[in-house]
Amino acid sequence: ETGVTQSPTHLIKTRGQQVTLRCSSQSGHNTVSWYQQALGQGPQFIFQYYREEENGRGNFPPRFSGLQFPNYSSELNVNALELDDSALYLCASSPRTGYGEQFFGPGTRLTVL
Amino acid sequence: AQSVTQLDSHVSVSEGTPVLLRCNYSSSYSPSLFWYVQHPNKGLQLLLKYTSAATLVKGINGFEAEFKKSETSFHLTKPSAHMSDAAEYFCVVSVREYGNKLVFGAGTILRVKS
Repeated sequence: ETGVTQSPTHLIKTRGQQVTLRCSSQSGHNTVSWYQQALGQGPQFIFQYYREEENGRGNFPPRFSGLQFPNYSSELNVNALELDDSALYLCASSPRTGYGEQFFGPGTRLTVL
Repeated sequence: AQSVTQLDSHVSVSEGTPVLLRCNYSSSYSPSLFWYVQHPNKGLQLLLKYTSAATLVKGINGFEAEFKKSETSFHLTKPSAHMSDAAEYFCVVSVREYGNKLVFGAGTILRVKS
């Protein structure tokens, strides 16, 4: 059984650029959530996708957007990057929406210069 | 809304001594509670979970936690620390009414001295 995978591992961008992060959910999982973990802090919920629709969103501006594909993989897009967007971005999948436990990938470390 | 407070940002113990990481939660609904561990430059691994069944929950690597509704607490314990336990630990709450999004505490860094 393959776990949650994310790509790329690391990424360096400059302020104002756009970035796309990718996530493959664990086999059989149809729900994907994204979290931002700034240095020294706990992860913060960005949004969740279920059956290709956004299914809940945290306190993040609209320049954070996402997609989920028919195979349940997902993308996180961030436009107009700001220095404060530098963080570890974590993807988590679960077997269905409403299932409490989530399974995390290793994360993508984004640095904005 | 729900929230989590981890009462210690850093805990230091000697190898072989007990570990106690403290967590208090706030929730308007019946919560699910979790402890996750994060080793340096790694993702999050689930240690244990409480989902309204037994209040004493056993997890991996000898960790356990007790759900105390009257105290709104979910403290993590281990009888004997091992060097490999050194990591950051997150207490997490979620409720079905809020779509089961995970709300994390700020984390507790556990240091294990030899």
